[in-house]
Amino acid sequence: DAGVTQSPTHLIKTRGQHVTLRCSPISGHKSVSWYQQVLGQGPQFIFQYYEKEERGRGNFPDRFSARQFPNYSSELNVNALLLGDSALYLCASSFPLGQGWDEQFFGPGTRLTVL
Amino acid sequence: DAKTTQPTSMDCAEGRAANLPCNHSTISGNEYVYWYRQIHSQGPQYIIHGLKNNETNEMASLIITEDRKSSTLILPHATLRDTAVYYCIVSYGKLTFGQGTILTVHP
Repeated sequence: DAGVTQSPTHLIKTRGQHVTLRCSPISGHKSVSWYQQVLGQGPQFIFQYYEKEERGRGNFPDRFSARQFPNYSSELNVNALLLGDSALYLCASSFPLGQGWDEQFFGPGTRLTVL
Repeated sequence: DAKTTQPTSMDCAEGRAANLPCNHSTISGNEYVYWYRQIHSQGPQYIIHGLKNNETNEMASLIITEDRKSSTLILPHATLRDTAVYYCIVSYGKLTFGQGTILTVHP
């Protein structure tokens, strides 16, 4: 079975530009979460979507937005890029069971470099 | 902010058990303990989770103290491929990663 896929793998942008990152969850998974991982740190939660509804949002500015489509794939958009947005962006999918826990499966990430 | 405290780094000899500790003294009653690991340049990989009882799966064992304020992840027979950053997370819902423990397995 295919795991979580993300595109593109690598991306180079300049300050002020915007970027769209894409994620396809594991088949049957209805929840997608986005994380930002700056070099040397653990992943930081950005958004979670479940059944196309935003279920959680981390401490990120409004320049970050996301959406989930009817097929459960998701996009993360970042506007007005800053140098500090350079990071590995991870997508994770899960099939929440409503018990307060779920096993999240992570994709390989998109490496964004802002120059 | 992460609600866990882990050692920055640990070493283990190949073939020996690796015991990774985690303190989570402020854990709430409904929060689970998760362990994930991240091998260089890859996405994190789920290892195991638990609420109150000790848990075991094909990858590892999780020992949670009776007061739930700390836990230990045990890799019973560490291999070189187990070299990674190991994250201990307490959560009900979204995952909050800390700095993790860099485990290095030596030949």
